[in-house]
Amino acid sequence: AQTVTQSQPEMSVQEAETVTLSCTYDTSESDYYLFWYKQPPSRQMILVIRQEAYKQQNATENRFSVNFQKAAKSFSLKISDSQLGDAAMYFCAYRSPNYGGSQGNLIFGKGTKLSVKP
Amino acid sequence: GAVVSQHPSWVICKSGTSVKIECRSLDFQATTMFWYRQFPKQSLMLMATSNEGSKATYEQGVEKDKFLINHASLTLSTLTVTSAHPEDSSFYICSARDRRGGRLNTEAFFGQGTRLTVV
Repeated sequence: AQTVTQSQPEMSVQEAETVTLSCTYDTSESDYYLFWYKQPPSRQMILVIRQEAYKQQNATENRFSVNFQKAAKSFSLKISDSQLGDAAMYFCAYRSPNYGGSQGNLIFGKGTKLSVKP
Repeated sequence: GAVVSQHPSWVICKSGTSVKIECRSLDFQATTMFWYRQFPKQSLMLMATSNEGSKATYEQGVEKDKFLINHASLTLSTLTVTSAHPEDSSFYICSARDRRGGRLNTEAFFGQGTRLTVV
């Protein structure tokens, strides 16, 4: 079974600075998807960024980028120029591919609470 | 596009009563919908997966007779918490997959969640 581990329960960053959130996962599959979700106090899950395992290039979305190390099974999220609105819980998630009987549900890490200091 | 509406956003019910939570995909058809439960300051745990027109698949440890799931159409799935007890108090979140292929199908779209309090 696949597992996702986020080893940082809480992180703090100064506004305008850069912060990196860690995520490791365990799987025997070679094809899969990885996601970072943001959950603000409203508790609405918001997709931040996604990565397809077959792509070597790291995904980027504006101030958000990932460092995907497939061999090491590592998927960290870097937030540049941190803003007050970035404060939230961040969940790393794994998803199996559509084939092979997978229903496509997400497996989540325990989350990292990010605080942004003004 | 890709909006999932979950209703109600919060509900308080008496112990022993049943509560129904609806999850609707507003602008796409969802072959598969997922129901998660989230305890305070914890992660999302998958409860069950529902496919339109078939029985839901429940995760180990989730009582299917207590958490009834119906996925009667490609745009609606419901979760009914039967004979609710205080320990059922939690945050319930649904998500849906677009039946179309490609990138749309690999991403999960989430509802706003429902905070259930059983008193």
